[in-house]
Amino acid sequence: GQQLNQSPQSMFIQEGEDVSMNCTSSSIFNTWLWYKQDPGEGPVLLIALYKAGELTSNGRLTAQFGITRKDSFLNISASIPSDVGIYFCAGQAGGTSYGKLTFGQGTILTVHP
Amino acid sequence: GAVVSQHPSWVICKSGTSVKIECRSLDFQATTMFWYRQFPKQSLMLMATSNEGSKATYEQGVEKDKFLINHASLTLSTLTVTSAHPEDSSFYICSASGYSNQPQHFGDGTRLSIL
Repeated sequence: GQQLNQSPQSMFIQEGEDVSMNCTSSSIFNTWLWYKQDPGEGPVLLIALYKAGELTSNGRLTAQFGITRKDSFLNISASIPSDVGIYFCAGQAGGTSYGKLTFGQGTILTVHP
Repeated sequence: GAVVSQHPSWVICKSGTSVKIECRSLDFQATTMFWYRQFPKQSLMLMATSNEGSKATYEQGVEKDKFLINHASLTLSTLTVTSAHPEDSSFYICSASGYSNQPQHFGDGTRLSIL
């Protein structure tokens, strides 16, 4: 089945630093999504990407849908303490798997003030 | 927009009890709802996909008689954990998707603890 490799697994950074995380897949996805999850809550959608090569920003967040459709990255600029949480990438395929998401393992982000 | 409400947030109950979790899309019609299970410090594991008015599709290894899913309307899906045991303790999260290309929006999850 499809697998997503998300890296890094965890990051410890200082407030103000930029952050980059990425996901790679063994197969093609039609949509890439990035979510953030705070402890004890459900994931919140940050950015959705629908076309290969697409680069989309949401405030200090920027994400790209890789040209090969097998990878995506998320950048966070000028991190702040409230950026702390777990970030998940998710890929959505088409065909019989339509609508189902495959999640990465998550990146745990810690921001030191 | 795209708000998904999940209830209850916490459930603590005795072994053998059946527990029902509700997932509602508040401001859109959800043609498809998904149920996930998440263990501490792990990613989300899809349990089943639910389309309004039809039977849920369960992922391999998920017991459909154990985890009953009903999606009777375009705004409500329920997950019932039947005869729950301590090993069923987990964080259960639902998500909902409306029109064909709408990304999934998640509820806040239900922490289930079986004593």
